[in-house]
Order: sequence, then structure tokens, then C-alpha cells
Amino acid sequence: SQQGEEDPQALSIQEGENATMNCSYKTSINNLQWYRQNSGRGLVHLILIRSNEREKHSGRLRVTLDTSKKSSSLLITASRAADTASYFCGFMEAAGNKLTFGGGTRVLVKP
Amino acid sequence: EPEVTQTPSHQVTQMGQEVILRCVPISNHLYFYWYRQILGQKVEFLVSFYNNEISEKSEIFDDQFSVERPDGSNFTLKIRSTKLEDSAMYFCASSGGGAAGRGQPQHFGDGTRLSIL
Repeated sequence: SQQGEEDPQALSIQEGENATMNCSYKTSINNLQWYRQNSGRGLVHLILIRSNEREKHSGRLRVTLDTSKKSSSLLITASRAADTASYFCGFMEAAGNKLTFGGGTRVLVKP
Repeated sequence: EPEVTQTPSHQVTQMGQEVILRCVPISNHLYFYWYRQILGQKVEFLVSFYNNEISEKSEIFDDQFSVERPDGSNFTLKIRSTKLEDSAMYFCASSGGGAAGRGQPQHFGDGTRLSIL
């Protein structure tokens, strides 16, 4: 299967703590994209990291990519209650332009 | 900020009926996609569309499905004869530029919840 896998499936933290979630895939990729989804809403694009990049930052978000291990991580620092959502990684294979998504990580940030 | 808009937000249809889901992608984007998410499951790719033709499709996208860009702004997904298992949230996405549109973020709409009775 070319599906991505994410862990943990769920994460519960206190406001102010950091949240880390991981994504693994099985094929060669062009890029990997992280998204947030609030309940009943669409996917909101967070960060795109290309296969030749190892780390990217955007505000309180930090994404790493290890192509040798075929894995990526998303770190949310100093979490807020508003960060409560599901987070998905979607990878784009070396050929084609579709995204293949993992099962997501449900993050609950408690005030 | 430009966004992808989808209508309707919720569609209830009898099994066997045809349904058309509508999307307005971001105006300067060239690549268009449909994904679906069955309740509690992963987001699954259905089809991508570029230069007025399908560029890639999944096994889910069988003969019951079709896509069209009828004018310069709309992008539609038609399901000809709906089945119970078509019940899902359907997301439209678009991405911009580049020689192949690759390596660009895909921007998603809020989805249409399709319920087949």
C-alpha cells in the first residue's frame, strides 16, 4: 500500500505544551504537505516540505523530513486551545500530482 | 485570501439518483482535484484535472463518476447513479502554476457532505 501512516492517532496536551506527530510513507516523494482539519471543515494547508529539504518553519510550526527513513514530523510549539484539530500529512509521489493522506492525528489542547 | 468554495454544503439524494457537486477553485490555479472522506476514514484521492482533461484518477473514480470544467470558473463532480457507499464528504482542491503544477500547495474547500438514502 502507498498509504501514509500517522502516529499517534490521538494526543491530549495542556495549553503551552508542545505537540509532536509523525508521518511515515513507503514510496519516493516529490513533497509532503501538512494540513489541519477542524471538525466538519475542510483541510487547511499548513506547510509544504520538498524532498530536498530537511526542515521548515512557519510561526509555531516546525516540520522535518527524513527521506532515508521515509518519515516526517510536525511540531506545534506552545500549543493553544485553538490548535485543537486533526492534523494530516499528505505526500505527493515522485510521479503524478495527487496527495496520499495518512489517517491523521487528533490533537486536543486543554486550556 | 483567495479560497476554494464548494456548493452545496450538504446534499441528500436518493440512491440511484444523479448528483452534481460544484466547486469554484482559486482563480489563477491550473490544477483541480476531487477527494473524498468517508466518515472516520482517511482522505482519499479521486481525480485530478489539468488543461481540460483528467490527468490522474484513482480506482474509486469509475464510470459512474465524471468531472467537468464547464466554464472558466466552475469545476464539477458528477455521480451518475449514486450508491449508499458514495456517502462521504467530498472535497475540491486546486493548486497553482509551475511547469507541471507539482510542488505547489493544494488548497481545499470546506467540502460537500453527500448523504445517500
